[in-house]
Amino acid sequence: GNSVTQMEGPVTLSEEAFLTINCTYTATGYPSLFWYVQYPGEGLQLLLKATKADDKGSNKGFEATYRKETTSFHLEKGSVQVSDSAVYFCALSTATGNQFYFGTGTSLTVIP
Amino acid sequence: KAGVTQTPRYLIKTRGQQVTLSCSPISGHRSVSWYQQTPGQGLQFLFEYFSETQRNKGNFPGRFSGRQFSNSRSEMNVSTLELGDSALYLCASSQTTGANTEAFFGQGTRLTVV
Repeated sequence: GNSVTQMEGPVTLSEEAFLTINCTYTATGYPSLFWYVQYPGEGLQLLLKATKADDKGSNKGFEATYRKETTSFHLEKGSVQVSDSAVYFCALSTATGNQFYFGTGTSLTVIP
Repeated sequence: KAGVTQTPRYLIKTRGQQVTLSCSPISGHRSVSWYQQTPGQGLQFLFEYFSETQRNKGNFPGRFSGRQFSNSRSEMNVSTLELGDSALYLCASSQTTGANTEAFFGQGTRLTVV
């Protein structure tokens, strides 16, 4: 079946620290991979995506590379800001329709 | 361009009642999906509609149902509410279908069952 495993939080970092949030997946077929972000009281916003192996998605300083050999899609940012504090969800989607499988979410707090 | 609009934002219902939630997708988007978000279970897929047809359904009891209208607006209904139905219900719209399709989420409807 399809599933996403995401590192447990919460994660607390100082401003300008390096961020890594681990994500691994199990899927039938060839999924697309996504990172979504959720700010308090809001819905989910797409942060970045990758649709095939070795693709790198990037946005707002965040990056993630689709690694088929390790079935991973780890999120990284070189220097986090207070405004990056949010919950981050790793997700996959398969060719069978617009159904996303989400990880459990990782809460990030960045302190000044 | 307006985003995905969900109404109402907050609801309080009593156990045993029924509730209807509404979702207006982004103009031109034909696919609407619904998700339930709870602290214990995370984000779980409820169902997806495309051109008024339900194409996928998650593992939820028959008390959860939905429909989509010709203008792509969608509603979901929960009958005989239980305390465990308290959750944030998120609607997502997509322009097309398939693995590469990006989904745009609304702000959600917070349902509290007392």
